[in-house]
Amino acid sequence: KQEVTQIPAALSVPEGENLVLNCSFTDSAIYNLQWFRQDPGKGLTSLLLIQSSQREQTSGRLNASLDKSSGRSTLYIAASQPGDSAIYLCAGGGGWGKLQFGAGTQVVVTP
Amino acid sequence: SQTIHQWPATLVQPVGSPLSLECTVEGTSNPNLYWYRQAAGRGLQLLFYSIGIDQISSEVPQNLSASRPQDRQFILSSKKLLLSDSGFYLCAWSVTRGQNDNEKLFFGSGTQLSVL
Repeated sequence: KQEVTQIPAALSVPEGENLVLNCSFTDSAIYNLQWFRQDPGKGLTSLLLIQSSQREQTSGRLNASLDKSSGRSTLYIAASQPGDSAIYLCAGGGGWGKLQFGAGTQVVVTP
Repeated sequence: SQTIHQWPATLVQPVGSPLSLECTVEGTSNPNLYWYRQAAGRGLQLLFYSIGIDQISSEVPQNLSASRPQDRQFILSSKKLLLSDSGFYLCAWSVTRGQNDNEKLFFGSGTQLSVL
């Protein structure tokens, strides 16, 4: 069974610093790796999807990498802003759109 | 554009009472539909997914059931709620692509269920 782990569980940085969020998964036979953002009491917003054949995806200040051989994905957020404060979740795609989620990283960006 | 509606936003129910949460999607046809639960201090857990009308797969044994009476309507139900059913319930959809699905999931705003 796929297990997804996110480290660290919480992270606090001053505004302007780059953020690095880590995600590891046990089963390399994933169809894709997705990163989501969750604001308190709200649903999830999809940030990036990396297909199993890809190594990375970029959107604005966000860049996510995928290394299936080592079972790792990393989300980089450049020049962090207070509005980036949220919980960030990664999830491995197991086919039919089913996702196995990590517990998330709580990010706080201080002004 | 596609939108997903989920209601109610908040629900407080006594133990043993029934439950019905509804989710509808607009602007797309034949979506895959999903129910996830986020318990306090835990990650999201897939409860049910559906690839079509009346086609429901359960991912974990539980006190809940799901139905899909129409193409874009997904309902989560229980006959008798347990304390352990408390949590944040999220509905989601994706474009159907079969097993090798590489489409993003889009989530509703969630229902916070408290069973007392």
